[in-house]
Amino acid sequence: AQSVAQPEDQVNVAEGNPLTVKCTYSVSGNPYLFWYVQYPNRGLQFLLKYITGDNLVKGSYGFEAEFNKSQTSFHLKKPSALVSDSALYFCAVRRTDSWGKLQFGAGTQVVVTP
Amino acid sequence: AAGVIQSPRHLIKEKRETATLKCYPIPRHDTVYWYQQGPGQDPQFLISFYEKMQSDKGSIPDRFSAQQFSDYHSELNMSSLELGDSALYFCASSSGGANSPLHFGNGTRLTVT
Repeated sequence: AQSVAQPEDQVNVAEGNPLTVKCTYSVSGNPYLFWYVQYPNRGLQFLLKYITGDNLVKGSYGFEAEFNKSQTSFHLKKPSALVSDSALYFCAVRRTDSWGKLQFGAGTQVVVTP
Repeated sequence: AAGVIQSPRHLIKEKRETATLKCYPIPRHDTVYWYQQGPGQDPQFLISFYEKMQSDKGSIPDRFSAQQFSDYHSELNMSSLELGDSALYFCASSSGGANSPLHFGNGTRLTVT
């Protein structure tokens, strides 16, 4: 079984400040971890993924995420948020030995104010 | 770059009618997924196909069926529609195995009245 928890329904941050969106996961075996962003009435856009190796993963639009195996976390970060980063963010997990479904978290709404 | 194409973009049906949603994956992607996203919800996995064979099944109602055709496009058929079926339906495709990200289409918004 696999599951993802995003503990915050919404994150509010001022433009220019650092942004963190939290994600913890539960999976038997080793995980592949992903972050997606969704704008209103649009499909999910892939931001970044963790497969193996370096725990700090860099992705699109200046986002990065840190994998922490002991804490089973994969938090998304951006050093300086933009108003255009306001969107819905989903963390997702899949077992490394599975070609099946990607399990999504409940999503975190990010609101960046000017 | 080519993306996942879904049609129609919007669909309005009445209760007990049927609906067919179409998905055209990114060329050379071998796996297609269908997800359902209700208002304010995370995407819920319905079903997936690898090389035209069903590879995994999630919370897909018995009233729904799907298939992938020889040209790799996929269709989600929904019968006896209920009000609760109103949602965004996303198709996604991927290639290269479990560590490959899914690429999503822009979805079909189904409204059942």
